[in-house]
Amino acid sequence: GAVVSQHPSRVICKSGTSVKIECRSLDFQATTMFWYRQFPKQSLMLMATSNEGSKATYEQGVEKDKFLINHASLTLSTLTVTSAHPEDSSFYICSARDDRLAGRGDTQYFGPGTRLTVL
Amino acid sequence: AQSVSQHNHHVILSEAASLELGCNYSYGGTVNLFWYVQYPGQHLQLLLKYFSGDPLVKGIKGFEAEFIKSKFSFNLRKPSVQWSDTAEYFCAVNANTGGFKTIFGAGTRLFVKA
Repeated sequence: GAVVSQHPSRVICKSGTSVKIECRSLDFQATTMFWYRQFPKQSLMLMATSNEGSKATYEQGVEKDKFLINHASLTLSTLTVTSAHPEDSSFYICSARDDRLAGRGDTQYFGPGTRLTVL
Repeated sequence: AQSVSQHNHHVILSEAASLELGCNYSYGGTVNLFWYVQYPGQHLQLLLKYFSGDPLVKGIKGFEAEFIKSKFSFNLRKPSVQWSDTAEYFCAVNANTGGFKTIFGAGTRLFVKA
């Protein structure tokens, strides 16, 4: 089955530092990946769409200079939280759209998430 | 604006009871519909999806969902729940015209009593 990994699974950092989160599709290519944020006991909120080889598309209200996205290859997207503050503490989840299923349901597979705690 | 509504935020059932979770969407054009499940401490897993064909879709673990286009609904059902079905269930939708962005409902937290 399609597997998406995220690294790290958990990170604690000091306020003002930057944190990079990796999202990899392990057994399929993903031209498009998505980054979500999930607050406790709430649903997933889409932050941005990451496209291989081009700039990410951010949802309204998401600061693109704060959440830097790089989709350097068909299997890797990274999210960098720059100058993190305590309010950035959250659960960040990525998903990858399986290129093989384009036009046949466009299924996304989700990573296990990264819990970020900013002190 | 596109949106997904899940009517039940919390559901408590006894084992062997039947389950139906409501989902309605507001989305123009041709849609793909999904139900995901998140077990405690685990990541999202796809239960089932609809993109074309038979509107009654069967998924894993005995779940099924029916797409009713006229009602913009995609309700999830299971005839007999088990304790292990305790989890949070998310309805989601994307569309070819929406850049394949998937919009999630607020989720329904299901607790099955043994």
